[in-house]
Amino acid sequence: AQSVTQLDSHVSVSEGTPVLLRCNYSSSYSPSLFWYVQHPNKGLQLLLKYTSAATLVKGINGFEAEFKKSETSFHLTKPSAHMSDAAEYFCARTGNQFYFGTGTSLTVIP
Amino acid sequence: NAGVTQTPKFRILKIGQSMTLQCTQDMNHNYMYWYRQDPGMGLKLIYYSVGAGITDKGEVPNGYNVSRSTTEDFPLRLELAAPSQTSVYFCASTPALYQPQHFGDGTRLSIL
Repeated sequence: AQSVTQLDSHVSVSEGTPVLLRCNYSSSYSPSLFWYVQHPNKGLQLLLKYTSAATLVKGINGFEAEFKKSETSFHLTKPSAHMSDAAEYFCARTGNQFYFGTGTSLTVIP
Repeated sequence: NAGVTQTPKFRILKIGQSMTLQCTQDMNHNYMYWYRQDPGMGLKLIYYSVGAGITDKGEVPNGYNVSRSTTEDFPLRLELAAPSQTSVYFCASTPALYQPQHFGDGTRLSIL
């Protein structure tokens, strides 16, 4: 069973418009959840993490994510996209291992 | 702040050659991981270690070997390189399972 599902492989937004990257998880309990960003030819950088405290988590660079247990979702949002946000984004959760989604490529159109 | 350091950054191998990808971390993390990343395929776990002297297979271990003689180092060895092992390899570490992983910048490996 897929532990983390990123619902969109590619997302395109215009600069200055909102960003929504969707992630659903499967788990019988409330796991720790993460969003990572990967810029070209770089490793993964942590954007934010959810570890059962506040359900709305704020991260770096204006990103935030909301944990919704009833929907088993952890979608990543940003109010206004910037050109520098263009990258690959990965949702991940913990378990007996670390499970990554397959990634969402974000394109920002000037 | 070095974090997770991977060497080399790039390498081209011939089929059948062997090599070791180096990974070292200076954060005293117990958990270390090796992933490969193929285009559009996300990250696949090759091997992981929960501490010095302890390693275990991940999702795609065939063709690879690891060792963990110290907390800091977690090298990945390819014994007989095959074209299917052309990929980008990432090493990561974390202090605990529920904490985020810290990644190196990757090793880009081509096998021709």
